[in-house]
Amino acid sequence: QVQLQASGPGLVKPSETLSLTCTVSGVPITNFYWGWIRQPPGKGLEWIAYIYYSESTNYNPSLKSRVTISVDTSKNQISLNLSSVTAADTAVYYCARVLGYCSGGSCYGRFDPWGQGILVSVSS
Amino acid sequence: QSVLTQPPSVSGAPGQRVTISCTGSSSNIGATYDVHWYQQLPGTAPQLLIYGNNIRPSGVPDRFSGSKSGTSASLAITGLQAEDEADYYCQSYDTSLSGSVFGGGTKVTVL
Repeated sequence: QVQLQASGPGLVKPSETLSLTCTVSGVPITNFYWGWIRQPPGKGLEWIAYIYYSESTNYNPSLKSRVTISVDTSKNQISLNLSSVTAADTAVYYCARVLGYCSGGSCYGRFDPWGQGILVSVSS
Repeated sequence: QSVLTQPPSVSGAPGQRVTISCTGSSSNIGATYDVHWYQQLPGTAPQLLIYGNNIRPSGVPDRFSGSKSGTSASLAITGLQAEDEADYYCQSYDTSLSGSVFGGGTKVTVL
């Protein structure tokens, strides 16, 4: 059974970098594409990025200038860095496996399963 | 403003049928990309409910069904139950974004 667990600081100061890790169990991360999605409190879902272990990546254009996603195959982890954060980046951040067709960093499939999510607040 | 448009809320009595629409454009649903649906119970992560427009993952009751036509998709819940109270989101791929897009979500209330 595939399980995902996101971890990282729950509070980040404005202008600093948000760093999260998603630890995957039950399957090698090299077998699939993986994604990050976020959800501001009381609002809807926003796709952030995809990554494949070969470091094929794709970012949401609205966040591309501030986002970096990477993998550590030795630890079976996916990481997310979001720089220059503001209060607008306060959200629950989810990692998820991508199922379906992916090619060259673009994925046309669905997210399944999702990790439990981690609330990150941006405040001084 | 979400790329895919959903009604903010729908409601129905137990046993009734409700539908949730998801309206896109020629750069996503209308470009023949699949639509997927998620159920998010209060305080939990979204869970895949329907994928590939109308396919239920193992364990999802057959009360849930999906369809797609043109630039829109729909999720139907028949025989509404109290446990179906949740937020529901549609998702597809968008060529303009070159990535995934979600609807704004629909809150289902069981009266």
